[in-house]
Amino acid sequence: DAMVIQNPRYQVTQFGKPVTLSCSQTLNHNVMYWYQQKSSQAPKLLFHYYDKDFNNEADTPDNFQSRRPNTSFCFLDIRSPGLGDAAMYLCATSRELAGETQYFGPGTRLLVL
Amino acid sequence: DAKTTQPPSMDCAEGRAANLPCNHSTISGNEYVYWYRQIHSQGPQYIIHGLKNNETNEMASLIITEDRKSSTLILPHATLRDTAVYYCIVRVGVSSGSARQLTFGSGTQLTVLP
Repeated sequence: DAMVIQNPRYQVTQFGKPVTLSCSQTLNHNVMYWYQQKSSQAPKLLFHYYDKDFNNEADTPDNFQSRRPNTSFCFLDIRSPGLGDAAMYLCATSRELAGETQYFGPGTRLLVL
Repeated sequence: DAKTTQPPSMDCAEGRAANLPCNHSTISGNEYVYWYRQIHSQGPQYIIHGLKNNETNEMASLIITEDRKSSTLILPHATLRDTAVYYCIVRVGVSSGSARQLTFGSGTQLTVLP
């Protein structure tokens, strides 16, 4: 089945130690998104890629970066994780931008020690 | 995108219809109503969307009022696995030509009771 895959489901890192979360998709969608969801809150968009075009949300901290080496894969890099970055990180895809349904992966829960 | 208002929580008996309301009184003519749900510790899942006509798919039905200021998501025969947070989101459609993120509100926690 076509899907959005996120590995690992749980990631533990140390305060200040860089960490990379990965997302892959078999839907061949043009757009890939990264959302952050903290406990008991709604998901919040960090950035998205339309093909190779990167679009950062205005309030996304510089500590968060992303890479999309090809259509199928997208990575979220957290350069120096703080305790406040502990959250569920959700990857989503859509065929196009405006108005398109987004398909989400299962998420990676990040714990910062 | 228009702001939505949903009740924070609802209960529903298993096997009965679950009717989840959403108010979006400031909706614009080119904005669609989308519903997603998020089961605990999983990613959000698309359910259904519509512009002004009622819509039905294998998961649910969407009833939009004639003035489009509110809508209701109906799960016809709720099961325990339907327990989740349900998000009503209003956003522009494909003709807008500009990127739009999904702006999630606080949603409704639906609990299906045995």
